[in-house]
Amino acid sequence: EAGVAQSPRYKIIEKRQSVAFWCNPISGHATLYWYQQILGQGPKLLIQFQNNGVVDDSQLPKDRFSAERLKGVDSTLKIQPAKLEDSAVYLCASSLVVTSGGYNEQFFGPGTRLTVL
Amino acid sequence: GEDVEQSLFLSVREGDSSVINCTYTDSSSTYLYWYKQEPGAGLQLLTYIFSNMDMKQDQRLTVLLNKKDKHLSLRIADTQTGDSAIYFCAALGNYQLIWGAGTKLIIKP
Repeated sequence: EAGVAQSPRYKIIEKRQSVAFWCNPISGHATLYWYQQILGQGPKLLIQFQNNGVVDDSQLPKDRFSAERLKGVDSTLKIQPAKLEDSAVYLCASSLVVTSGGYNEQFFGPGTRLTVL
Repeated sequence: GEDVEQSLFLSVREGDSSVINCTYTDSSSTYLYWYKQEPGAGLQLLTYIFSNMDMKQDQRLTVLLNKKDKHLSLRIADTQTGDSAIYFCAALGNYQLIWGAGTKLIIKP
């Protein structure tokens, strides 16, 4: 079974530039997550989709970050414009449908390491 | 808000047991997880425990849960060099996981 795919694996940009990340979840997984992992910290949830609807985007900096999952499969995360503090690994994960308090194994992609200069 | 805390580093000798500890604040967490992250790789689920269990064993891994103290531990028996990684504890809240900062396990020869 193919895992969660992400691209690119690495990206270096200058501040104020734009960048986009792509994620393809495991086939059949309705729930998709984008996390930001700053060096030395645990993952921080940015946005959670169930199919193509947003379940939680409370920690997404909406003035510069946007995400979409138009057909309920692939997703893109965009940053525009980037700041120095956006340097991090951006992880995509997917899982089967999540119910409140229910078991939830999230499968992670390898991540995209973003460096903002 | 909810919080999960772990110590940042643990150093053990090859062949010894490693015990990684975690505390969490949300007493309503239903599932608690241990994930492993190797350099340049994504997070991999190692094991999990449901909140009505005290212990779970899976080959070299033993998870202990003290729900009263909101304390979770992961014991790795006979630690090998391949166990070098960062280990994350995560607690399942209402719909999302709350993550610790990770414990880096260092293996001494």
